[in-house]
Amino acid sequence: AQKVTQAQTEISVVEKEDVTLDCVYETRDTTYYLFWYKQPPSGELVFLIRRNSFDEQNEISGRYSWNFQKSTSSFNFTITASQVVDSAVYFCALIKYSSYKLIFGSGTRLLVRP
Amino acid sequence: DGGITQSPKYLFRKEGQNVTLSCEQNLNHDAMYWYRQDPGQGLRLIYYSQIVNDFQKGDIAEGYSVSREKKESFPLTVTSAQKNPTAFYLCASSIDLLQGGGTEAFFGQGTRLTVV
Repeated sequence: AQKVTQAQTEISVVEKEDVTLDCVYETRDTTYYLFWYKQPPSGELVFLIRRNSFDEQNEISGRYSWNFQKSTSSFNFTITASQVVDSAVYFCALIKYSSYKLIFGSGTRLLVRP
Repeated sequence: DGGITQSPKYLFRKEGQNVTLSCEQNLNHDAMYWYRQDPGQGLRLIYYSQIVNDFQKGDIAEGYSVSREKKESFPLTVTSAQKNPTAFYLCASSIDLLQGGGTEAFFGQGTRLTVV
């Protein structure tokens, strides 16, 4: 069975603080993809990143960075120097190779206060 | 602009009524999906469609129905058989079925359905 756990239900930080959102996954498959999506108050999910199971290189995109560690089955997301516009619900998701179905975590609500 | 349009944004339904949620995309994507989101939970797959005139049940299809008569459109009907329909519904599409995870899904802005 596949599962994604986002243990942090809600995080509140002050603007300019760094914040890390945790994602732990379970799968028996050797080939799979991991995703992060952002859900702003408007409701739609915005794609942030996709990472396949064979690529453990960390990735940085502006203030965003992702740390993928297969040894701990984690795919954590860090926002550096957070901004109020980063306030949203963030979802981690998993899909195994040849599947059609994304398995989502329960999401982490991030509130960035001015 | 290309994207996915869901309408209406808010919908109220009386118990015992069927209601249809609209989803239209102009991304020329073959695959489309319907997800349900409940507070504090992740998204759960209701139905998906790989091509026109074909669709498959997801994890929570009971009480829902869909059609895929056009590539651009994938409406979802919430029937009176759905026991707890109050939720946020998201439609998504991808270039092709998410096999291998090689493509990402694009989401609409959702429809919030409330049963009164």
